[in-house]
Amino acid sequence: QQQVKQSPQSLIVQKGGISIINCAYENTAFDYFPWYQQFPGKGPALLIAIRPDVSEKKEGRFTISFNKSAKQFSLHIMDSQPGDSATYFCAARSGNTPLVFGKGTRLSVIA
Amino acid sequence: DGGITQSPKYLFRKEGQNVTLSCEQNLNHDAMYWYRQDPGQGLRLIYYSQIVNDFQKGDIAEGYSVSREKKESFPLTVTSAQKNPTAFYLCASSIRVAGRNEQFFGPGTRLTVL
Repeated sequence: QQQVKQSPQSLIVQKGGISIINCAYENTAFDYFPWYQQFPGKGPALLIAIRPDVSEKKEGRFTISFNKSAKQFSLHIMDSQPGDSATYFCAARSGNTPLVFGKGTRLSVIA
Repeated sequence: DGGITQSPKYLFRKEGQNVTLSCEQNLNHDAMYWYRQDPGQGLRLIYYSQIVNDFQKGDIAEGYSVSREKKESFPLTVTSAQKNPTAFYLCASSIRVAGRNEQFFGPGTRLTVL
């Protein structure tokens, strides 16, 4: 049973555009929602994270929007650049339990 | 230079052989994890350890074994019982800091069975 559903599987965005990746979860006990960025052949790097007591968190060009009632959260990448081309994973956890990951979104930013 | 190191970066194994992947961290993190990554499958949890001398099975533990004798080390053995071991293996560690619960990954080991 997949506890975190991520969409789309792949995404192509024009340079300067907005990239949007969505995740939905079922477990209402989840209290921590990070996003990871992974380049080919490298380990995932923590990009940004949010807790359910806030609806939005912004760090530079990256923003997480969180909708607790809908059990959804999304990553927005503003002014997308070719260097943002990577695979992005959403995840969630409850307390000290292991992170549960979405299956990933491969983002390609084209000039 | 703090972080998580995994060795080797590339590993080749003949069928029927056991192989051990190394993971070391100097972040003083209590919890450590092993994930397997296959194309289109995302990250799947193999084993995790919240404290020294204790570990739990993840979603795909069959054919793998681990030990946690030291806080900084969490080696993974891929045994001959693992039917399809070719994959990218990722080690991670985490600590709860002011309720933030951040988890960090190592650079990975790519295992290929010949």
